[in-house]
Amino acid sequence: AQKVTQAQTEISVVEKEDVTLDCVYETRDTTYYLFWYKQPPSGELVFLIRRNSFDEQNEISGRYSWNFQKSTSSFNFTITASQVVDSAVYFCALGRIQGAQKLVFGQGTRLTINP
Amino acid sequence: GAGVSQTPSNKVTEKGKYVELRCDPISGHTALYWYRQSLGQGPEFLIYFQGTGAADDSGLPNDRFFAVRPEGSVSTLKIQRTERGDSAVYLCASSLIPSGGANTGELFFGEGSRLTVL
Repeated sequence: AQKVTQAQTEISVVEKEDVTLDCVYETRDTTYYLFWYKQPPSGELVFLIRRNSFDEQNEISGRYSWNFQKSTSSFNFTITASQVVDSAVYFCALGRIQGAQKLVFGQGTRLTINP
Repeated sequence: GAGVSQTPSNKVTEKGKYVELRCDPISGHTALYWYRQSLGQGPEFLIYFQGTGAADDSGLPNDRFFAVRPEGSVSTLKIQRTERGDSAVYLCASSLIPSGGANTGELFFGEGSRLTVL
């Protein structure tokens, strides 16, 4: 069975602080995708990143960075110099390489950035 | 519009009633998904369409739930004899699968239809 755990239900920080959102996953698949989505108050899920399990290189995109550790089944997400606009619920998800994108989502982490 | 459109954005109904939720995917996207998001939870997969056919409906909770996509574009999620436990946000997503068949992995989500069953 596939499972994604986001142990942090809510995080609140002051603007400009760095913040890391944790994600741990379980799967029996040898190859898979990992995702992060952002859900602002409007409700739609906004795609942030997809990582193939073959590729363990960390990735940086502006103030966002992702740390994929296959050995510990973790895919953590760090926001550097956080801004109020980063406030949202963030979801980590697990999906298969082929076929339908039956994503398995974690419960989400509600991030609040205070001015 | 350019994105995935869902209507209605909000629906309040009484227990036992029938409900239809509509999804208009991004033009040209052959794959369409329905997910359900309960309060405080992540979305859960319901059903996947490739073209007009339901390729995977393993996430539908019971036979009160049904979805169609007759022309391979707009989809309707139908819920019969609604129950209070059906209250949730129903999210639709679409994606483009290239002719080679490889899964691009990126789903584009709509803003959802919030269903409240009283």
